[in-house]
Amino acid sequence: AQTVTQSQPEMSVQEAETVTLSCTYDTSENNYYLFWYKQPPSRQMILVIRQEAYKQQNATENRFSVNFQKAAKSFSLKISDSQLGDTAMYFCAFMTSFYGGSQGNLIFGKGTKLSVKP
Amino acid sequence: ETGVTQSPTHLIKTRGQQVTLRCSSQSGHNTVSWYQQALGQGPQFIFQYYREEENGRGNFPPRFSGLQFPNYSSELNVNALELDDSALYLCASSVTPNTEAFFGQGTRLTVV
Repeated sequence: AQTVTQSQPEMSVQEAETVTLSCTYDTSENNYYLFWYKQPPSRQMILVIRQEAYKQQNATENRFSVNFQKAAKSFSLKISDSQLGDTAMYFCAFMTSFYGGSQGNLIFGKGTKLSVKP
Repeated sequence: ETGVTQSPTHLIKTRGQQVTLRCSSQSGHNTVSWYQQALGQGPQFIFQYYREEENGRGNFPPRFSGLQFPNYSSELNVNALELDDSALYLCASSVTPNTEAFFGQGTRLTVV
């Protein structure tokens, strides 16, 4: 069974600084996707960034980038130039490839609560 | 805004009752997934519907059931409510089962 582990329950960062959130996962699959979702107090889960396992290049989206280490099964999120609006719960999630026969459901970690301080 | 809407936003039910939660998927999406998020936890997969058929199910008892309609909207039904069913219920829609999932704002269910 696949599992996702986020070892940092809470983190804080000063506005404009950089922070890295950690995520490790366990799977025997070779084809899969990894995601970081943000959940602000409004409750809506918002996709931050996505990484396909077959791609060696790390995904980036503006201030957000990942460090994907497939052999180590590690998928960390780096937020640069942190902004007050980045304050939220961040969830790491895993999904096997549909072509592997899965139903495409997301498996989430327990989350990291990030506070950006002014 | 993702275009995925859920109703109601909040709900209080008594133990033993039945509840129906609704989800309107984003236009063009034929896949809907439901998740249960207990307080302080990550979402847990309940089940997924793809083109009106159940496409997979998580570790939830049969009293959790669902439907997907021809317009790809969906319902989650929970019978014989238990106190532990109190949670945020999230609906997510996607174009296909393995593409990006867009979440609604959830329904907060409280069972007393």
